Amino acid sequence: KAGVTQTPRYLIKTRGQQVTLSCSPISGHRSVSWYQQTPGQGLQFLFEYFSETQRNKGNFPGRFSGRQFSNSRSEMNVSTLELGDSALYLCASSHGQSDEQYFGPGTRLTVT
Amino acid sequence: AQSVSQHNHHVILSEAASLELGCNYSYGGTVNLFWYVQYPGQHLQLLLKYFSGDPLVKGIKGFEAEFIKSKFSFNLRKPSVQWSDTAEYFCAVRGPTSGGSYIPTFGRGTSLIVHP
Repeated sequence: KAGVTQTPRYLIKTRGQQVTLSCSPISGHRSVSWYQQTPGQGLQFLFEYFSETQRNKGNFPGRFSGRQFSNSRSEMNVSTLELGDSALYLCASSHGQSDEQYFGPGTRLTVT
Repeated sequence: AQSVSQHNHHVILSEAASLELGCNYSYGGTVNLFWYVQYPGQHLQLLLKYFSGDPLVKGIKGFEAEFIKSKFSFNLRKPSVQWSDTAEYFCAVRGPTSGGSYIPTFGRGTSLIVHP
């Protein structure tokens, strides 16, 4: 079974721009979660989607948004990028909402 | 607010030494508990999990963890570490928030270095 894939793997953007990250979950998984990982804050939960509906949301500003498609693939969008948004963005998928999560390799976003 | 504390940020051991990594959480209600590991250059992967039942759970590669409800703890143990256990270890808790969500919270991680 293929693992969780994330594209792109690396991205450099300028302040004020917007960015869209993509995540393809493991086949059969219906839950997709997004995390931000930084050296200062560690792993922080952004949001979770299950069957195309956002089920849970972390404590991030509205500039961070996401969606999930009918095939369970998910996208995350960050608008009006700030320097502090530079981070590794991880996607994780699971069968159900409370199950163990399988993580992707992440997208390394650098904002200059 | 919900939180997960990992007491040891950096641990250095020699091979064959015993390992115990502490994890405490602050959550009300029923929780699901996890330990994840990230080997150098690899993805985060699950070591073990506790949902209910026997509070002593066994995971991959000889790791085990004990859930002590009264202490809000879920410590990770391994009797004899190997050089290949060098990695970052994350404790995670999924539980209810005051707002009714059921979100996962990760600890800051413990970096383990095992010397051969």
